Amino acid sequence: EVQLVESGGGLVQPGGSLRLSCAASGFTFSSYDMHWVRQATGKGLEWVSAIGTAGDTYYPGSVKGRFTISRENAKNSLYLQMNSLRAGDTAVYYCARSFYGDYGSYFDYWGQGTLVTVSS
Amino acid sequence: EIVLTQSPATLSLSPGERATLSCRASQSVSSYLAWYQQKPGQAPRLLIYDASNRATGIPARFSGSGSGTDFTLTISSLEPEDFAVYYCQQRSNWPRIFTFGPGTKVDIK
Repeated sequence: EVQLVESGGGLVQPGGSLRLSCAASGFTFSSYDMHWVRQATGKGLEWVSAIGTAGDTYYPGSVKGRFTISRENAKNSLYLQMNSLRAGDTAVYYCARSFYGDYGSYFDYWGQGTLVTVSS
Repeated sequence: EIVLTQSPATLSLSPGERATLSCRASQSVSSYLAWYQQKPGQAPRLLIYDASNRATGIPARFSGSGSGTDFTLTISSLEPEDFAVYYCQQRSNWPRIFTFGPGTKVDIK
């Protein structure tokens, strides 16, 4: 059974840093692209970052230069280092696995999420 | 950057009724579109990928159609567990950015 378990969320002051972790099990972690997706309370979904099997990384403009995604295949773990945090980064952060259809890339398994609150 | 819009924002229906949800892309995405269902307090669940393919374990009452810029998610007969928020999603090739629509809430009339 595929499982993704996030941890590391919490309360942090504006300008601070936080590192999220995602522990993966039930599949060959090293063979899959992985993502972070966030959701502010009562709002929609926002993709935050992706990392390929070769370690290539991708970010939207809203977090580029502040967030860093990484992976440690030996530990079946995904990470998100978040620096220079702002109030607008407050959200539940989900770890998600990539799934490839014939046309494109989607998210087929999701963790339960970890809450990050940026506030003074 | 491709923008996805969804309509309506809220759809009020009764169990057993047919639900038709729309997702429109600001430029063609071919058949590169997915639909997700999200219930309160839960992570999203992949329903449809490549515009019309049901994900593993998804009931046949869910179907997707469309290509290019206009897509539809149809729930043929609403079950009580189908009342939720539905999001569409696509990925642009360059820059490689994944985007979601704002969502459609299907609630009980």
